[in-house]
Amino acid sequence: SQQGEEDPQALSIQEGENATMNCSYKTSINNLQWYRQNSGRGLVHLILIRSNEREKHSGRLRVTLDTSKKSSSLLITASRAADTASYFCATVSNTGNQFYFGTGTSLTVIP
Amino acid sequence: GAVVSQHPSRVICKSGTSVKIECRSLDFQATTMFWYRQFPKKSLMLMATSNEGSKATYEQGVEKDKFLINHASLTLSTLTVTSAHPEDSSFYICSAEGALGYTFGSGTRLTVV
Repeated sequence: SQQGEEDPQALSIQEGENATMNCSYKTSINNLQWYRQNSGRGLVHLILIRSNEREKHSGRLRVTLDTSKKSSSLLITASRAADTASYFCATVSNTGNQFYFGTGTSLTVIP
Repeated sequence: GAVVSQHPSRVICKSGTSVKIECRSLDFQATTMFWYRQFPKKSLMLMATSNEGSKATYEQGVEKDKFLINHASLTLSTLTVTSAHPEDSSFYICSAEGALGYTFGSGTRLTVV
């Protein structure tokens, strides 16, 4: 399977703490994207990092990319209860616009 | 593990014809399925959400008469692009929500000539 792996599968933290999720993938990529999905709702695009970038920030989000290790991490700082959701990474291959999604991390932020 | 099969992976059709894309959950029941479209060099855009046995909920700006969604069973949802135009050429992907979370299909590359 070309689907990526995410770690951990589930994460539960207290409000105010930081949450870190990791994503590993198998193929060469053009870019990697992180998405969020609340229960019963569609994906929401969070951030895109290109293969020639190593780190990117957006608000409370920080994404890193290590193409040599084929891995990425998403850090959510100062978490809030509203951050409770499933988070997915998706890679876009160099060969085209195929998306390969990770298995997702279920994040629960306890108020 | 949960597997979603999306078919076809690639399709080329002539302008004015209709194309059907299938999304099947192979080993679980999907209470909700989502259809996305990706525009070149952009992220996925949610088109619609479908629940088994009921009408799909379309996102703003998505023509429901053009993109027909049917979710007739807990394991199958279909997206039909009717009267296709070249601007409908895109990458379409489905995802299914089951007891274990969300699983994505591998996508369909549609080219309208």
